[in-house]
Amino acid sequence: DAGITQSPRHKVTETGTPVTLRCHQTENHRYMYWYRQDPGHGLRLIHYSYGVKDTDKGEVSDGYSVSRSKTEDFLLTLESATSSQTSVYFCAISERETGELFFGEGSRLTVL
Amino acid sequence: GNSVTQMEGPVTLSEEAFLTINCTYTATGYPSLFWYVQYPGEGLQLLLKATKADDKGSNKGFEATYRKETTSFHLEKGSVQVSDSAVYFCALTGMDSSYKLIFGSGTRLLVRP
Repeated sequence: DAGITQSPRHKVTETGTPVTLRCHQTENHRYMYWYRQDPGHGLRLIHYSYGVKDTDKGEVSDGYSVSRSKTEDFLLTLESATSSQTSVYFCAISERETGELFFGEGSRLTVL
Repeated sequence: GNSVTQMEGPVTLSEEAFLTINCTYTATGYPSLFWYVQYPGEGLQLLLKATKADDKGSNKGFEATYRKETTSFHLEKGSVQVSDSAVYFCALTGMDSSYKLIFGSGTRLLVRP
């Protein structure tokens, strides 16, 4: 199994609070992604990174920011959480741009 | 932009039945196509892929053929097992041929003993 760890795995927070989700990989892969999974929508790309300090927006980036200061860590931040950001968040990594992604186990976020 | 449409689930089958999960796509250019599977409580994992027209991807008894003429990539398996119960996602590469994958909404498969 690819070495991907997401933390926290579960979080409940209140509207307006900041939240940071962490993705840590031990594979030294170049590409990292954050997706959110919602019923009826499948997975939608939030942000991705193609190297240290190199990030770009995905399909649903509003309300989210990311940072990647080291190869192994990719952080997703919700500056002020809203109820619409209640979701399951998945981190994924890939060594090359082949479409073969390795996913973490997900982080379930509930915003009350 | 590129998009993918999957059949709605859940799909409920008896063990050893034949499985088809439909996937059609809209795309510019020549995308690569993928099927990912998500077992309960886990992240997604790649099941199979095809990178050009008429390619057949296969893995673990599952198959899918890249049909450009019908813009389809249907997933099939001849004899399903209870352990195949999962959610299956069809995906394709984005409009700029980048590998920021676009996923379908997923189809839940439930196989009964």
